[in-house]
Amino acid sequence: GAGVSQSPRYKVAKRGQDVALRCDPISGHVSLFWYQQALGQGPEFLTYFQNEAQLDKSGLPSDRFFAERPEGSVSTLKIQRTQQEDSAVYLCASSRSLGAVNTEAFFGQGTRLTVV
Amino acid sequence: KNEVEQSPQNLTAQEGEFITINCSYSVGISALHWLQQHPGGGIVSLFMLSSGKKKHGRLIATINIQEKHSSLHITASHPRDSAVYICAVRIRMYSGGGADGLTFGKGTHLIIQP
Repeated sequence: GAGVSQSPRYKVAKRGQDVALRCDPISGHVSLFWYQQALGQGPEFLTYFQNEAQLDKSGLPSDRFFAERPEGSVSTLKIQRTQQEDSAVYLCASSRSLGAVNTEAFFGQGTRLTVV
Repeated sequence: KNEVEQSPQNLTAQEGEFITINCSYSVGISALHWLQQHPGGGIVSLFMLSSGKKKHGRLIATINIQEKHSSLHITASHPRDSAVYICAVRIRMYSGGGADGLTFGKGTHLIIQP
């Protein structure tokens, strides 16, 4: 597609439920990032993939959060046993860059997760 | 302490006014991004800069590397400019590996009234 696509746009989950959020990056983009944005805050880094390799997952808040990008394109962020503090917008971004080379990042529309 | 600080947090102005949003950062960076976020969550990249000044339409972004400071200016502001403007930096890594993601400010909520 022309841009980064995320689905679903909105997700309401009951506390304790598992959720899976999908990100389709721009075709050919090597780098993929997941961010978590709480209400009224700036986004915060969760994890980074270079192709299929997850090079950094230091931002994942707990072991309930898991991300994968098995074929180096589509990525899934999974949250197990959701809790109310997981409620946030989850943003995905992709770029052509490899590591520290500076290129523009393109963002998806985000998935707004509400845990009730 | 946040590594990226923006000011003001909220700004309301009248249509036509010249707008300035400031961003200060405390770490060495390799690039700074200005982003626009409309209600609903979507983020659009406005500028990516590592030195000097860039201009696109009514938007101007400047950066002073020595002072660790950047500004985003909007000339002849319009109600459609109302959005959250976010400054984000890519932290320069001296060693291999580590996070390559962006570190974000909390954003400036801009409202332009007609």
